[in-house]
Amino acid sequence: EIVLTQSPGTLSLSPGERATLSCRASQSVNSNYLAWYQQKPGQAPRLLIYGASSRATGFPDRFSGSGSGTDFTLTISRLEPEDFAVYYCQQYGSSPLTFGGGTKVELK
Amino acid sequence: EVQLLESGGGLVQPGGSLRLSCAASGFTFSTFAMSWVRQAPGKGLEWVSTISGSGGSTYSADSVKGRFTISRDSSKNTLYLQMDSVRAEDTAIYYCAKAVRAAAGRYHFDDWGQGTLVTVSS
Repeated sequence: EIVLTQSPGTLSLSPGERATLSCRASQSVNSNYLAWYQQKPGQAPRLLIYGASSRATGFPDRFSGSGSGTDFTLTISRLEPEDFAVYYCQQYGSSPLTFGGGTKVELK
Repeated sequence: EVQLLESGGGLVQPGGSLRLSCAASGFTFSTFAMSWVRQAPGKGLEWVSTISGSGGSTYSADSVKGRFTISRDSSKNTLYLQMDSVRAEDTAIYYCAKAVRAAAGRYHFDDWGQGTLVTVSS
């Protein structure tokens, strides 16, 4: 089973700042099958990035995904008030499908 | 617009059974794999089970294998999760999700329902 470790656990930032979230896999993720989800309180998760770097419908280009192998990054170039949420990574290159523990981006 | 509406959650005693349903609309149900993903209170996400579009292939996490059964009825555009021999650690919000296939058994999730809460307690 591939274990995904997300860091930091919490990121305290102000609107307009850059957010850099890390997702590290215990072994290489096949074909860079890595997704990111955004979850706001009381809501379902929402697909943000798939294939490590492809942005899902509805998300602006301030969100970007990068990385390969075992190290992946989600970057939010300039935080907007609606971006404060929890972000999860998920690998789908191997069975079982696994999620990281999440990074909370909170208002400083 | 894709809509996924879960139902069937509630309070169940340890060792008991429950069946969750997910009514789907806004897409051709039979052509997409579907999944259940759960989230324990205050915790992260855990993949539970996936069924292929045809229903011919199913995949489940070891934590639920032999206890939970995923199925679908394309005539009703509905996904199910039969939960048997439930345990306290099965307490969670259960989300129904539309799955995008990258390869056999390899999926990410592009649409999610709002979830249904299952509480296992005596």
